[in-house]
Amino acid sequence: SQTIHQWPATLVQPVGSPLSLECTVEGTSNPNLYWYRQAAGRGLQLLFYSVGIGQISSEVPQNLSASRPQDRQFILSSKKLLLSDSGFYLCAWSGTSGRADTQYFGPGTRLTVL
Amino acid sequence: DQQVKQNSPSLSVQEGRISILNCDYTNSMFDYFLWYKKYPAEGPTFLISISSIKDKNEDGRFTVFLNKSAKHLSLHIVPSQPGDSAVYFCAAITNTGNQFYFGTGTSLTVIP
Repeated sequence: SQTIHQWPATLVQPVGSPLSLECTVEGTSNPNLYWYRQAAGRGLQLLFYSVGIGQISSEVPQNLSASRPQDRQFILSSKKLLLSDSGFYLCAWSGTSGRADTQYFGPGTRLTVL
Repeated sequence: DQQVKQNSPSLSVQEGRISILNCDYTNSMFDYFLWYKKYPAEGPTFLISISSIKDKNEDGRFTVFLNKSAKHLSLHIVPSQPGDSAVYFCAAITNTGNQFYFGTGTSLTVIP
């Protein structure tokens, strides 16, 4: 069966510090991968998605970036965090055989920028 | 541009009664719709879906209805249980895309 991992589960970082959140998927190959952010009291905002190694689509211009160094690894990064980067970050995957019809989410990372 | 909208941010229902969560969309190219349930500090979990070729899909206590002409879908939970208390997101996808469009969520509280 497929599983998706995210770490860390919680993170407290000062403004201006770098960020690296990691997501890995097991039990599937060539998945579509997604990063979302849920800000307090708001819905799910798509940040990045990837259909393959090295292929990243950015949905929202900001100081975050994403990379996919391996087929089942998706990394969210920032060089300098802003207060507004605080939120709950979710990684998700979907299959690529035909059209993706369901996304499966990881447990999330709670990021607090102070 | 919010292509999927959930206009009710919260809903309270008595245990045993029906919960109805609503979702509207604007993109006529959406042809597959999903509902997710999310508890605090956890990732959303898939609940139920419906293809645009159907107008109803039922799974146990959960039923999703789709009205394509009105670009509206709803999730019915009956009977509601306290464990159903969570945030519910609707999502949509086009027949050619890999991008899921999510609504802003509705927080359901089922009162014992």
